[in-house]
Amino acid sequence: TQLLEQSPQFLSIQEGENLTVYCNSSSVFSSLQWYRQEPGEGPVLLVTVVTGGEVKKLKRLTFQFGDARKDSSLHITAAQPGDTGLYLCAGDTSGTYKYIFGTGTRLKVLA
Amino acid sequence: EPEVTQTPSHQVTQMGQEVILRCVPISNHLYFYWYRQILGQKVEFLVSFYNNEISEKSEIFDDQFSVERPDGSNFTLKIRSTKLEDSAMYFCASRPTAGGYSPLHFGNGTRLTVT
Repeated sequence: TQLLEQSPQFLSIQEGENLTVYCNSSSVFSSLQWYRQEPGEGPVLLVTVVTGGEVKKLKRLTFQFGDARKDSSLHITAAQPGDTGLYLCAGDTSGTYKYIFGTGTRLKVLA
Repeated sequence: EPEVTQTPSHQVTQMGQEVILRCVPISNHLYFYWYRQILGQKVEFLVSFYNNEISEKSEIFDDQFSVERPDGSNFTLKIRSTKLEDSAMYFCASRPTAGGYSPLHFGNGTRLTVT
């Protein structure tokens, strides 16, 4: 069974702090995506990473795909209260139509 | 920007009743998905659908569940005889292709409450 484990599960930090969220698996993924979900809404795509070792930046967010395409990280610099939400990684493996989600990291940024 | 729409936003039903959750995927997308999220838990894959047939399904998607694309625009999830444990947010998603650069686009979900 493919599994994507995220850590930490919960994170509460002060505005201005930096943080990193990790997404790990024993499976190799052909692509991996990060989503953010607000209460009562569907997940919204932040970024897609495809190439092993790839780094993508989205303003204060930096995403990295592991060299072996089994893991990924999300780093937020100078977190703001607007970053509060549930962060989800999701990946698909070659040859399947299944797209599995990680266990999620619930982030709260305090003003 | 085109979006995936789901109706109703909230459905309350009694145990044993049938429910149909409706979704209109983005019009040029070819792959369709249903996921569910029990309150406070992870987003779980239920089923994927392509070319008018199920591509893959999870162990959650048992005989009580079915999907249909009846008219080329709607994509429905039917639960024949609901159970209390079916209470969850159900999300529909679509993507244009199955390739790596093709992310899932989600609707805002239907909250199903089984009493």
